[in-house]
Formats: sequence, C-alpha cells, structure tokens
Amino acid sequence: QVQLQESGPGLVKPSETLSLTCTVSGGSISNYYWSWIRQPPGKGLEWIGYIYYSGSTNYNPSLKSRVTISVDTSKNQFSLRLNSVTAADTAVYYCASAPLYSSWLPEVWGQGTLVTVSS
Amino acid sequence: DIVLTQSPGTLSLSPGERATLSCRASQSVRNSYLAWYQQKPGQAPRLLIFGASSRATDIPDRFSGSGSGTDFTLTISRLEPEDFAVYYCQQYGSSPTFGQGTKLEIK
Repeated sequence: QVQLQESGPGLVKPSETLSLTCTVSGGSISNYYWSWIRQPPGKGLEWIGYIYYSGSTNYNPSLKSRVTISVDTSKNQFSLRLNSVTAADTAVYYCASAPLYSSWLPEVWGQGTLVTVSS
Repeated sequence: DIVLTQSPGTLSLSPGERATLSCRASQSVRNSYLAWYQQKPGQAPRLLIFGASSRATDIPDRFSGSGSGTDFTLTISRLEPEDFAVYYCQQYGSSPTFGQGTKLEIK
C-alpha cells in the first residue's frame, strides 16, 4: 500500500508563502491522484486540491487564487504552495492519495504536519 | 458548494451498543459519491466507507453505510472500544466538502 510523508516548515510568517512537500513510497506516482487537505486545530477538514502525474490540477474554488500544487515524478514527490498566508491558514496539512477512478476521494493519508502562521 | 450537515454533534454510547450517524446534504450527491472517515486524536482520518455503502480495505463488517440523494447513514452494529472517535462524511461527486463531524464518546 502506498505511504505518504509530509515535510516542510512548521512556522510561516503572515503574508509569506507556505510550502510543503509530500514524499510517496510503496507505489508509482502515476497510479493515483495526489491531494492536499487541511484541518485547523480543533476544527473540521477542508479539501485544498489535487494533481495528477501529468500535471493536471483541480483546486478548491475558495483557495484557488492562492494555491499551487506541483509534482516531481523523478523524486516521487508532490508539493503545495499557499501564498499570502494569514492566521486562518494555521492547520494540520495532510497529503493523500486518491484512486484513478475517483480523483476527489482521499483514500490513504499521510500523518499530517502542523503549520502555524505567526510573526 | 454542497454543504454536509452531520447529526448528532456528539453521541454517547456504551461498548456493544449500536451507533447510527447521519449526514444530510444541501443538494443531491451525484452517483452517491459519499464517504465516511474515522479520526482518532492525533491521527489522520481513515477511510471507512466510499460510494455510500462500500467498505474500504480492511474495514470490519460491523461498519456499514447506506443512503442516497441527500440522506446518508453510517451504522456501527456493535461498538468496540476502539470505535470511539470522530466521524466525518465527505461528498466527492463535485468539488469535495466535508461534514463538521460527529464525536462518538463512551457513555
């Protein structure tokens, strides 16, 4: 079964760019869609977007203007960039795989990484 | 966006009892693309049910899902101690959205 691991800075300053990477193991990056989901502390889940290995993407309309998801097939990694962050972007960020038959269904999740936006 | 409303917010039951969790959508969910996740403190969500009623890999058969259109249900037939957690529904028939969660706690 595919395994995922998030990595990146745990602290980002307001107005700057949040950058995270998800490393995939145990499966080919071409066999799934790759998603990002976030969860503010003590709150519910919010889908951010997905990417396919070809580079095609789909984003949450409410975040679309600030989000970029990219993929590096040579490293079996995909990445999230969220610009102009505020305290409202403080959350645990999860990466997840979605099956080819349903790109919007996060199936296997990473353990998550907490990103705090603060000066 | 489709808004998902879960009820109740908190459910207090004892091991061995039956749990029924509800998820109502603000509009019909295309093709019953409705999933349920379980989340324990400090852990990532785990996929339990997809397509409203199909169990994900390695999910015990005490978990079952039902429903269509705008009304969906997750049933846990006999609660085990490890089942006490927060449960989320998610629709993936259009741009994905999640419910606010139901906390299942030990009575």
